[in-house]
Order: sequence, then structure tokens, then C-alpha cells
Amino acid sequence: AQTVTQSQPEMSVQEAETVTLSCTYDTSESDYYLFWYKQPPSRQMILVIRQEAYKQQNATENRFSVNFQKAAKSFSLKISDSQLGDAAMYFCAYMFGNEKLTFGTGTRLTIIP
Amino acid sequence: DTGVSQNPRHKITKRGQNVTFRCDPISEHNRLYWYRQTLGQGPEFLTYFQNEAQLEKSRLLSDRFSAERPKGSFSTLEIQRTEQGDSAMYLCASSFGTGTYNEQFFGPGTRLTVL
Repeated sequence: AQTVTQSQPEMSVQEAETVTLSCTYDTSESDYYLFWYKQPPSRQMILVIRQEAYKQQNATENRFSVNFQKAAKSFSLKISDSQLGDAAMYFCAYMFGNEKLTFGTGTRLTIIP
Repeated sequence: DTGVSQNPRHKITKRGQNVTFRCDPISEHNRLYWYRQTLGQGPEFLTYFQNEAQLEKSRLLSDRFSAERPKGSFSTLEIQRTEQGDSAMYLCASSFGTGTYNEQFFGPGTRLTVL
């Protein structure tokens, strides 16, 4: 069974600084998708960034980028120039075969003004 | 707004009662997913539909849980004889297409509290 592990329950960063959230996963598949989702307090989950496992190039979306290490089964999220609106729970997730998402336990990110 | 909607947003019930939640997906989205999120945890998959067909059910979905998606539009999730362990946020998501990847869009969730 696929598992996703986020070992940092909480992280904090000064506004305008850079922070990296960690995620590891376990799978026997070679072609899959990895995601970072953001869940602001009392608001719905939104997709931050997506990575296809067959692509070696790391995905980027504006201030958000990932470091995808397929052999190590590691998938970290880097947030540059942190903003107050980035404060949220961040979930790493895995998907195989365009079906269900398997989520990690989340990292609560606090932005310090 | 044409996003995923869920009703009710909050439900408080007594142990042993039945509850039903509704999810309205984004129009024309053919896939609909239910997840459950307990406090301090990530969402866990419960079940999903492609059109009106229920394609997969998690082992988390005990016999007290049933989900339907009549006519491939909205979906309902019913929990019979609720238990305190059923207290959680129930999330619905929808996606369009049958290709290699289709983004899932989440609703705001229904928070269930079982007293």
C-alpha cells in the first residue's frame, strides 16, 4: 500500500523568507503523481503544485517549487518570499492511476510578520 | 460560484442517529470522491464514483456507511447508527475526464460531531 509521510507537524518562517516542507512516500509504482495541497483555516483544500513522476524536471508555480528525488522517494515543497496568506496546513499527496489521493498527515505553516 | 458545494456545513447529532450529507460537484464533472479528515490528520479516501457507478470503496467504509450518486450528478453519504468515532470532516471532491490525470477540486466539507 502507498504511504505518505510528513515528519514536520509544524513549521514557522519569517515573512519574506524561504521555507521548505518535507515529504517522503512509499510506492512500488514507477509512474504516478505527487501533489502539495494547501488547506487554510476553515477554508477548502486547494492544489498548490503537481509533479509527474516520469518528469525529471522539478515543477514550479510562481513562489512555489518542489525538489523531487524519485530514487529517494522524497518530495519537498519550497516556498520563497513567504507571505502572510501562505499560512495554512500543507498536505503532501500521492496518486496512482488517476484515482484516489493518499495524503500525509500535514504540516502546519505559520508565517511570522 | 460554480465550485463544489457541500451541505450541511456542520452537523451535530446524538450517537445512534442517522445522518446524510450532500455533495454537488462542479457541473459536468464525471468523477466524485468522498474523503474523511479527522483532527490532526490528512484526508483519507472513502469512495469514488464515475458518473453513477461506485468504482471503489475503502475498508474504512463500514456497513453503516452508504454513498450514492443517482443520475451521475449530486452524491449523498449516509451514516447509520452514528458513533463518536464518526466525528470528522467529510470532504467531497470532483474531477472531469478519464485521462491520465484530472485535478480534483474540493468542497468546503461537512463537519460532523457525534455526541
